[in-house]
Amino acid sequence: AQSVTQPDIHITVSEGASLELRCNYSYGATPYLFWYVQSPGQGLQLLLKYFSGDTLVQGIKGFEAEFKRSQSSFNLRKPSVHWSDAAEYFCAVGGNAGNMLTFGGGTRLMVKP
Amino acid sequence: DAGITQSPRHKVTETGTPVTLRCHQTENHRYMYWYRQDPGHGLRLIHYSYGVKDTDKGEVSDGYSVSRSKTEDFLLTLESATSSQTSVYFCAISDGLAGLGEQFFGPGTRLTVL
Repeated sequence: AQSVTQPDIHITVSEGASLELRCNYSYGATPYLFWYVQSPGQGLQLLLKYFSGDTLVQGIKGFEAEFKRSQSSFNLRKPSVHWSDAAEYFCAVGGNAGNMLTFGGGTRLMVKP
Repeated sequence: DAGITQSPRHKVTETGTPVTLRCHQTENHRYMYWYRQDPGHGLRLIHYSYGVKDTDKGEVSDGYSVSRSKTEDFLLTLESATSSQTSVYFCAISDGLAGLGEQFFGPGTRLTVL
């Protein structure tokens, strides 16, 4: 069975600091990996996705993520965090016939001024 | 943004009453999904549909049923609501091309069962 672990439930960073959110997955085949962001009271918005090819993928809002097969990880990074990045972030894995996604528990990001 | 609407957006109901949530899409996507979101659990799949009248169970399907009589509509029914079904419910859609799995989400429905 596939699973996703986001080890950090809450993270607080200062505005302008760099950010890395961790994601570890378990999947029996080549995974499709996603990062979504959810602002308070909103639905989920796709930040970026990895299907194949270059293991460093670029997304919207200045985010990037790196797929490391040997570590079963897909960590999300941003070099300089803005106050508007405060939100909850979800990592997800998929790729099966039903296009179903399995989500991690989420990481809530708080940004200090 | 993908054309996905959910109704109602908020609902308060009492234990034992039936509740139906509606998801409507204008994208003509094949796949539709219902998730519930609870603190610490992320999103968990309740049911999904891979075509009109074709549905299957997800991870947390007990107490829920679904129907899809048209491509654009996917209904989630709680036959007899319980307090444990208090949650935020999200609908998602996917066109399923090449099994890529990317899903687009609706704005959510906050359901409170008293």
